[in-house]
Amino acid sequence: SAVISQKPSRDICQRGTSLTIQCQVDSQVTMMFWYRQQPGQSLTLIATANQGSEATYESGFVIDKFPISRPNLTFSTLTVSNMSPEDSSIYLCSARRHKETYEQYFGPGTRLTVT
Amino acid sequence: QQQVKQSPQSLIVQKGGISIINCAYENTAFDYFPWYQQFPGKGPALLIAIRPDVSEKKEGRFTISFNKSAKQFSLHIMDSQPGDSATYFCAATYHSGAGSYQLTFGKGTKLSVIP
Repeated sequence: SAVISQKPSRDICQRGTSLTIQCQVDSQVTMMFWYRQQPGQSLTLIATANQGSEATYESGFVIDKFPISRPNLTFSTLTVSNMSPEDSSIYLCSARRHKETYEQYFGPGTRLTVT
Repeated sequence: QQQVKQSPQSLIVQKGGISIINCAYENTAFDYFPWYQQFPGKGPALLIAIRPDVSEKKEGRFTISFNKSAKQFSLHIMDSQPGDSATYFCAATYHSGAGSYQLTFGKGTKLSVIP
């Protein structure tokens, strides 16, 4: 398995500001992902964080709003830019050790509230 | 085609009883079916998973039953305990020459085990 940590665990931010969420994995992984989960809802994939290249975004998510960095095989960041109350959600980092493996693990999440 | 339909939305079970959560899928290319357990304020944790070459997989009190012809799979929790109270998500994905694809999640089942 992979142990994933995220910082911060929660934050309250003002609209119009940006927040960067950090994700650290305890060992090298090929695949890293960012998800959003509204309270009481299922998980929605935002993007795949690619090491050494631009992230791959899912429909409805754009790089200007959710810029992602992946400088190495154990670390990634997600920035939520120009926040509005609609961005209030739980943001989850996830990892898969290899492209060919199925097992996927999740971090504890970052609970974001935008006022 | 990419949907995974999960039921029930919520479930209340007496301590010691059997909890059963069902999922159905349409995409016959799916070849990996994990279940995740999520406690409030935590990230989803991989609980148990099955490949379609077997009809059942058991790990402790948790069993996945898989019916390939019906395109259904279910999670059974035997001797349910209050500590099992959580939200459970089924998911599915498939593998191709390019690697594993994204997880498709069900909408989740909130399980409450009452003493």
